[in-house]
Amino acid sequence: DVKVTQSSRYLVKRTGEKVFLECVQDMDHENMFWYRQDPGLGLRLIYFSYDVKMKEKGDIPEGYSVSREKKERFSLILESASTNQTSMYLCASSRLQGARYNEQFFGPGTRLTVL
Amino acid sequence: QQQVKQSPQSLIVQKGGISIINCAYENTAFDYFPWYQQFPGKGPALLIAIRPDVSEKKEGRFTISFNKSAKQFSLHIMDSQPGDSATYFCAASFTNDMRFGAGTRLTVKP
Repeated sequence: DVKVTQSSRYLVKRTGEKVFLECVQDMDHENMFWYRQDPGLGLRLIYFSYDVKMKEKGDIPEGYSVSREKKERFSLILESASTNQTSMYLCASSRLQGARYNEQFFGPGTRLTVL
Repeated sequence: QQQVKQSPQSLIVQKGGISIINCAYENTAFDYFPWYQQFPGKGPALLIAIRPDVSEKKEGRFTISFNKSAKQFSLHIMDSQPGDSATYFCAASFTNDMRFGAGTRLTVKP
């Protein structure tokens, strides 16, 4: 049973705190993604990584950074959390381009509240 | 600017009815069109997907209709059941670039 796991289901942080969201996949996928999900806006890509230590900006990278030191692990970092970063954060992984339609497998999400 | 536009935002259907969700895209380079289903408290999961070389794909009660010239595709859920109540996202992809619609919250009333 393929799996993408996220370190926390719910997280409450204060404005200005540094926040780490962790994601681990057990499918040996090359690609990993971080999205945020907001009502009426769907899923918006923050960053993705196609290999260890590689990263590409998505549509809304401002205020975020990422780290991929191992193939199975992809971390999202909020350098200084702000209230407008309150959202649901979803991690996903997929095989390399060209392999089986690029299906993305999602984790259960982390609901982050910044007070 | 949203590259994939999805409608309606919410949909209420009676049990046994047909649910229809529509999406339109702009980038003609997209070559993979999946639909994801998300239940509360869960991440989205792939439901059904289509490539642009076919106009329709059916899997059980779920059908994707694809109109390449109009750059539109839709999800039809036949004989809708209360267990189908979820949020549905269409998406369009080219290489590693996948763009999602805003989502449709479907409620199927018993």
